Amino acid sequence: DTEVTQTPKHLVMGMTNKKSLKCEQHMGHRAMYWYKQKAKKPPELMFVYSYEKLSINESVPSRFSPECPNSSLLNLHLHALQPEDSALYLCASSRIRTTSGSLREQYFGPGTRLTVT
Amino acid sequence: GENVEQHPSTLSVQEGDSAVIKCTYSDSASNYFPWYKQELGKRPQLIIDIRSNVGEKKDQRIAVTLNKTAKHFSLHITETQPEDSAVYFCAARSNAGGTSYGKLTFGQGTILTVHP
Repeated sequence: DTEVTQTPKHLVMGMTNKKSLKCEQHMGHRAMYWYKQKAKKPPELMFVYSYEKLSINESVPSRFSPECPNSSLLNLHLHALQPEDSALYLCASSRIRTTSGSLREQYFGPGTRLTVT
Repeated sequence: GENVEQHPSTLSVQEGDSAVIKCTYSDSASNYFPWYKQELGKRPQLIIDIRSNVGEKKDQRIAVTLNKTAKHFSLHITETQPEDSAVYFCAARSNAGGTSYGKLTFGQGTILTVHP
């Protein structure tokens, strides 16, 4: 299995709602990532988890709350979002360094298209 | 932190022509340079990558070259086809915070259009 899956594909939520995005991979990758992508722009890194622990938070507002319950799952909890948070949210995963120094390419999921009204 | 510049922002070619996209990076410690292709409404897909100890890598019609001294790398697509039309992103990975998996910094993207 060489795929990262994400649910839901589309999500429309109001500014007072609470929702969660889910990401899953079964490639044994121990690094998982959340990116935000606006139209015609590159992905912007939000969070990185390594061995299920948060290792990078790119100064993301607290209305975004990541969670990594196990090595295959990554969640992004959303609360009190703003319309400008509307974007494509991408999850990715990669291996962590091996002694052979093998490439640690990131595999992206299909994304969740989020609209905040 | 790392900064990646990508040019051109748009590129239009005729089918069968070659296309070249160039990127420069700022962090001399960056050691891995992937290229992603993203079709409209789809996920970014890795098409080719290169490590800092290699100068060139080729995969069929796609090649990447890296000049570490000048801190730039390029994507070359030969014999372009309409299905090559997409947004292409270069990226550079630095070992942010001493992490081994690093942090990818993306260029701004190039919209490639291949006309039949």
